[in-house]
Amino acid sequence: GENVEQHPSTLSVQEGDSAVIKCTYSDSASNYFPWYKQELGKRPQLIIDIRSNVGEKKDQRIAVTLNKTAKHFSLHITETQPEDSAVYFCAASKPGGSYIPTFGRGTSLIVHP
Amino acid sequence: KAGVTQTPRYLIKTRGQQVTLSCSPISGHRSVSWYQQTPGQGLQFLFEYFSETQRNKGNFPGRFSGRQFSNSRSEMNVSTLELGDSALYLCASKTGDTQYFGPGTRLTVL
Repeated sequence: GENVEQHPSTLSVQEGDSAVIKCTYSDSASNYFPWYKQELGKRPQLIIDIRSNVGEKKDQRIAVTLNKTAKHFSLHITETQPEDSAVYFCAASKPGGSYIPTFGRGTSLIVHP
Repeated sequence: KAGVTQTPRYLIKTRGQQVTLSCSPISGHRSVSWYQQTPGQGLQFLFEYFSETQRNKGNFPGRFSGRQFSNSRSEMNVSTLELGDSALYLCASKTGDTQYFGPGTRLTVL
């Protein structure tokens, strides 16, 4: 089955810096890659996703890049703010509604004011 | 549309008891998945129900079971609770490829 590795497990940055979280996946058939943000005590929320026919997607301060050949994708957050502090999960999913996404183990991002 | 809802939000049980958790998906979503989340363990997949049938299953013991009703609402049951079952239980409903999570039920086993 699919295996998703996520690094780093913890990331500490100063406010205003950029943060990058990286994930690799094993199944070349995976074509959908969502990212979730989970603030303390809250539900995971979808923040951005990308499909394999696209190499990069941006939404304001966040962007996701995908390298299908290397089977890795990354989340980039620019101009980090304290409210970006949360656990971020990447996931990979194969096409067809019957597949369940495989999640990475999460990255705890801490943004220091 | 209303989001995914879960009840109860908090539960305290003792070892050996059983518990039932409930999840109402987003209207129109027919897939409901359940996850166990513990500190440092990420999101561990329990099972998925679609149109009242279990479609996918994770690697959990038979003490964990679920079902789905004709209105897509789902319940999860854990029998003979163990201390290690203390966790946040999240359900997620899915349309196409995208999952939307509920707020979770925090289960504490004493």
